[in-house]
Amino acid sequence: AQKVTQAQTEISVVEKEDVTLDCVYETRDTTYYLFWYKQPPSGELVFLIRRNSFDEQNEISGRYSWNFQKSTSSFNFTITASQVVDSAVYFCALSDITQGGSEKLVFGKGMKLTVNP
Amino acid sequence: GAGVSQSPRYKVAKRGQDVALRCDPISGHVSLFWYQQALGQGPEFLTYFQNEAQLDKSGLPSDRFFAERPEGSVSTLKIQRTQQEDSAVYLCASSSRDRTYNEQFFGPGTRLTVL
Repeated sequence: AQKVTQAQTEISVVEKEDVTLDCVYETRDTTYYLFWYKQPPSGELVFLIRRNSFDEQNEISGRYSWNFQKSTSSFNFTITASQVVDSAVYFCALSDITQGGSEKLVFGKGMKLTVNP
Repeated sequence: GAGVSQSPRYKVAKRGQDVALRCDPISGHVSLFWYQQALGQGPEFLTYFQNEAQLDKSGLPSDRFFAERPEGSVSTLKIQRTQQEDSAVYLCASSSRDRTYNEQFFGPGTRLTVL
């Protein structure tokens, strides 16, 4: 069975601090995708990044960066120089790449980030 | 452009009532998903449609939950004889199916409160 664990439930930082959100996953599949989604107070899930299991190259996009390590089954997300607008709940998710499969997402419990001015 | 829309945004039901939640996916999207998000939790998969065919309903928690997508576009999630534990946000997502993997676009959700 697939499982995603976000050990941190809530983090509060001061603006301009860097913050790292941890994600550990479990799957028996050899091919899969990993995701990060953001859920602001409005409630709509916003897609941030997708990574497939063949690609362990880390990625940076503006203030966001992602560290995928297959050896430790981790897919951590770092926000550099956090801003108040980053305040939201962040979800890590996993999906298999089964041919013809539903591509359903398995989510972690989420981590609430509060960035204070 | 138009995203995924859901209605109603909020629904209050008395225990035992039936409710129907609607999802309008992005036009042309073949795949449609329903998820349930309890307070303080991550979304959990309920069911999946490819066009009008319901290919995966493994996440539906009981036979009180029923989903349909008769014409392969709009979908309705129906909950019969609602219980308090059904209180949650119900999220709908849609995606195309023209690449190896297709991103799911989520709607704003319907918050169901069962009294």
